[in-house]
Amino acid sequence: DVKVTQSSRYLVKRTGEKVFLECVQDMDHENMFWYRQDPGLGLRLIYFSYDVKMKEKGDIPEGYSVSREKKERFSLILESASTNQTSMYLCASSLQGESGYTFGSGTRLTVV
Amino acid sequence: TQLLEQSPQFLSIQEGENLTVYCNSSSVFSSLQWYRQEPGEGPVLLVTVVTGGEVKKLKRLTFQFGDARKDSSLHITAAQPGDTGLYLCAGGGFGNEKLTFGTGTRLTIIP
Repeated sequence: DVKVTQSSRYLVKRTGEKVFLECVQDMDHENMFWYRQDPGLGLRLIYFSYDVKMKEKGDIPEGYSVSREKKERFSLILESASTNQTSMYLCASSLQGESGYTFGSGTRLTVV
Repeated sequence: TQLLEQSPQFLSIQEGENLTVYCNSSSVFSSLQWYRQEPGEGPVLLVTVVTGGEVKKLKRLTFQFGDARKDSSLHITAAQPGDTGLYLCAGGGFGNEKLTFGTGTRLTIIP
C-alpha cells in the first residue's frame, strides 16, 4: 500500500526550539509539499519541491525552511518555534504531470 | 492569490437526506479536485475533474465542474454516517502543479 509517512503524530515543543518535521513517501513521486491547516483558514502552502535539492516558497514561508536531500524525503524545519506556529502540519506528494495529491496523516504541533 | 470559497461551512443533516456542497472562485482552474478528511487523518482524494461542464459519479456522490472552470459542486444522495467528514475542494493552476485549497465544508450525518 503506497503511502506518505510523517514521523510524528503529535509534538510539543518550547518557544525558541528548532523543530524538524519529517516526511517520507514510497511512491517515487517527484513533487512534495508542506501545508499547515488551521480552523477557518484551510490548508495553506508553506514550501514545495519538484525535485531533489530543489525548493520553492509557498504562500506562507516565513519562519520555515525545508530540505530535500533525497527524492523520498522532504523535511520541514521551524528555525525558532513560536506559539503562532501551533498547527496541524500536512505533507503531500504527487507524480509529475498529475494533479492528485497523496497526504500523510499529519503532525499536530503545539508550541508552548 | 487564487481563492476558493466553499459553502456551507458546516452542514448537519439526517441520514438518508440529500445535500449539495459548493466551491466557488473568481479564478479559472485547470482542474478541480475534491478531498475528504476524517478527524486525525490527512485528506484523501475523491475525484479530479478537468473539463468545463464535466460530471463524474462515485457511487452516491456526483461531482460537477462549472462550464467556466471557476466553480464546482458535490452532491451526495441518501447520505450515510460514513459520509461524515471535512470536504475540501482544490483547484489546479496552469503550468504548475500546486493546488489551491478551499476553506472546507464540515459535514455531519446524524444516524
